[in-house]
Amino acid sequence: DVKVTQSSRYLVKRTGEKVFLECVQDMDHENMFWYRQDPGLGLRLIYFSYDVKMKEKGDIPEGYSVSREKKERFSLILESASTNQTSMYLCASSETGPNQPQHFGDGTRLSIL
Amino acid sequence: QQQVKQSPQSLIVQKGGISIINCAYENTAFDYFPWYQQFPGKGPALLIAIRPDVSEKKEGRFTISFNKSAKQFSLHIMDSQPGDSATYFCAARSGLTGGGNKLTFGTGTQLKVEL
Repeated sequence: DVKVTQSSRYLVKRTGEKVFLECVQDMDHENMFWYRQDPGLGLRLIYFSYDVKMKEKGDIPEGYSVSREKKERFSLILESASTNQTSMYLCASSETGPNQPQHFGDGTRLSIL
Repeated sequence: QQQVKQSPQSLIVQKGGISIINCAYENTAFDYFPWYQQFPGKGPALLIAIRPDVSEKKEGRFTISFNKSAKQFSLHIMDSQPGDSATYFCAARSGLTGGGNKLTFGTGTQLKVEL
């Protein structure tokens, strides 16, 4: 079974802090994704990566950056956390090829105070 | 803007009943339509998916109906069970995005199946 592991289930940070969310997958998938999930808004794509050191902006990249130095690890960075970034963050991975499913981690609930 | 519109936002169904969740899209470049199921405290997981060259796909109690001309698709859960209580997301993939299999998700439907 594919396993996507997010380093923290819950995280509390302060406004202005630099925040790192880590995600690791164990299936050698080329593609990795970061989403945020908010009630009534569904899942919105922040950034994705289709190869090591490659990244592309999703629909809501403002205030975020990402890093992919190794194939199995994809990090989401909040450069200067703000209260409107309080949310559930979900990481996913998938193989390359048409219609490959995305496999999700269980999420990190991030609160910015 | 919301490229995939999903309704209803929440749904309560009696055990044994049929649950129906609807989605509509505008982008004609979408070429793959998966549904994901999410239980509390867990990430979403692929439930069933359809390509637009077929009008229906059935897997057990779950069926996707697809209407290409209306740009709508729906999930039907037959004989709904309490264990089906979860949040359901429709999604769509654009064949134009190249690598990455980027998906656009609907806003989600919270389904509760009552005894």
